[in-house]
Amino acid sequence: GQNIDQPTEMTATEGAIVQINCTYQTSGFNGLFWYQQHAGEAPTFLSYNVLDGLEEKGRFSSFLSRSKGYSYLLLKELQMKDSASYLCAVRASSYNTDKLIFGTGTRLQVFP
Amino acid sequence: DTGVSQDPRHKITKRGQNVTFRCDPISEHNRLYWYRQTLGQGPEFLTYFQNEAQLEKSRLLSDRFSAERPKGSFSTLEIQRTEQGDSAMYLCASSPKVTSGRAFIYNEQFFGPGTRLTVL
Repeated sequence: GQNIDQPTEMTATEGAIVQINCTYQTSGFNGLFWYQQHAGEAPTFLSYNVLDGLEEKGRFSSFLSRSKGYSYLLLKELQMKDSASYLCAVRASSYNTDKLIFGTGTRLQVFP
Repeated sequence: DTGVSQDPRHKITKRGQNVTFRCDPISEHNRLYWYRQTLGQGPEFLTYFQNEAQLEKSRLLSDRFSAERPKGSFSTLEIQRTEQGDSAMYLCASSPKVTSGRAFIYNEQFFGPGTRLTVL
């Protein structure tokens, strides 16, 4: 079956660092994505990992361990505008399928 | 670059009515995807097209749902005889074909703003 787990909610303080974890069990793996989604808006792409290790992009970093079925998104120097839901998604693709399987999302609230 | 657009943004309908949504992908994006998202959940895959060919349909897509992409550009998603359980945000995404070495790959999916459907 397909299963992606991430915490439902997290809170943090402006200027702090927060790590959002994601574990997955999927049939087929062709990369892991993190998307940010503000309430009522479309998901926007943050990061993509297909090989093990850390990908850094400004204030955001994402890590992947394929053997452990584990990823995390690290947000540094938090700002109020980072309050949003963060979606972990596994790309399950092969010769006859191509889709993103999403977790339920982690709602992050940043307080002043 | 106008991004992925969807129309309408909001739709309120009565149970039993038919509704149709439209998605215009980013120009020259070969793949187009439909997802459904309910409150507090992540998007769930419904179907995807490569050009005009519908290559996969989720089991979530009952017989009341049909999607088309007749000319390989815009797509429509129709729901017949709507039910209250169909109330959700319907998201469209598109993905370009890029070259990686000798292979063509599809990576990032770009999402549209969604159509929020409310069935009364």
